[in-house]
Amino acid sequence: DAKTTQPPSMDCAEGRAANLPCNHSTISGNEYVYWYRQIHSQGPQYIIHGLKNNETNEMASLIITEDRKSSTLILPHATLRDTAVYYCIVTPGSARQLTFGSGTQLTVLP
Amino acid sequence: GAGVSQSPRYKVAKRGQDVALRCDPISGHVSLFWYQQALGQGPEFLTYFQNEAQLDKSGLPSDRFFAERPEGSVSTLKIQRTQQEDSAVYLCASSLMVRTYEQYFGPGTRLTVT
Repeated sequence: DAKTTQPPSMDCAEGRAANLPCNHSTISGNEYVYWYRQIHSQGPQYIIHGLKNNETNEMASLIITEDRKSSTLILPHATLRDTAVYYCIVTPGSARQLTFGSGTQLTVLP
Repeated sequence: GAGVSQSPRYKVAKRGQDVALRCDPISGHVSLFWYQQALGQGPEFLTYFQNEAQLDKSGLPSDRFFAERPEGSVSTLKIQRTQQEDSAVYLCASSLMVRTYEQYFGPGTRLTVT
């Protein structure tokens, strides 16, 4: 699996967009980008995934650069409930196990 | 609907004791996963089941760890002769077979070995 690099922590003001970056410069052609988050004392929660096109769902948007070496998860209007550790995972679409790194601790401030 | 449930939520064991952790996956989810999460770290893969078949156990740290899913639904993770380094949160997840990247996690069992 491709290695990912994320900042260890970020702050965001409530109501503003939170932009979480992820570098994955060694990504292979068959690898997808997945995002999960883990709220304190809960299990991880799937957010979104993509291969090379930008994706949007009810939770977030995923922007993948054209060379696929980096991506950004966007929470358009962050709330206090979005405070969590966000994990960027790069793995083949057929993979079963998820390899979590250290993630980014996002703190949404009132 | 009901999510993934795990029991017990907390377990304290004395070193050398055996423990059994239970996971009830989402109904209809063929795939089931176990992860171990040490304090301050991301979850680490332990093992994977498709129905009752254990297809990948590459993440189990030692032969003291054993997992089963005999009827393809409920799963049990057993740790024999627990050691202090086994202290962690044990997470169970389930998914549809064709969407194994979208895993639904339970709340975890926090195991403390004293």
